[in-house]
Amino acid sequence: IVMTQSPATLSVSPGERATLSCRASQSVSGNLAWYQQKPGQAPRLLIYGASTRATGIPVRFSGSGSGTEFTLTISSLQSEDFAVYYCQQYNSWPPMYTFGQGTKLEIK
Amino acid sequence: QVQLVESGGGVVQPGRSLRLSCAASGFSFSSYGMHWVRQAPGKGLEWVAVIWYDGGNKDYADSVKGRFTISRDNSKNTLSLQMNSLRTADTAVYYCASGMSGMDVWGQGTTVTVSS
Repeated sequence: IVMTQSPATLSVSPGERATLSCRASQSVSGNLAWYQQKPGQAPRLLIYGASTRATGIPVRFSGSGSGTEFTLTISSLQSEDFAVYYCQQYNSWPPMYTFGQGTKLEIK
Repeated sequence: QVQLVESGGGVVQPGRSLRLSCAASGFSFSSYGMHWVRQAPGKGLEWVAVIWYDGGNKDYADSVKGRFTISRDNSKNTLSLQMNSLRTADTAVYYCASGMSGMDVWGQGTTVTVSS
């Protein structure tokens, strides 16, 4: 399964909404996670099960979608949200936990 | 607190071997599937391998299959990755991570450089 994220880079102003997309080459049902990674840091789990926020993740982060089309929405961007975001599927068998190539969210 | 700490990275020549370790603390290690994920310099995340909570099932990315072996010792709360026949393309930061439906705990990473 190939995961494709778009756009590669997204420029948004603080306080605005950001919408990131992830497409799977075949259905992954709802078995999709989103991660945030800042420079020099390990990734952090944001969303699993396509729409469930991980522990401690602010409500401004939301996930939606199923099958092959998924979206991560950040409702009102804060300065700490500018980072790279990855989607990952965990549906295939035998298990292959494929990541997308990432979307860099930068300050406009 | 919940923590994963990797070790064992370093500089190694192509064709040689290296063994990475990941020490877990603060959670019930033996209840969780574990992964290795790597990130080449300036690149994205690449999943490498997974092992079930009891070690009964393992799987690998095609890029490492037949060269890398994932294992765990639940009595010592330790995850390992034996890397053989290393290639320059294996140069990366290697992370261990826990969780099968989303990787919710990550280590800080250990750097492996394969160079002659």
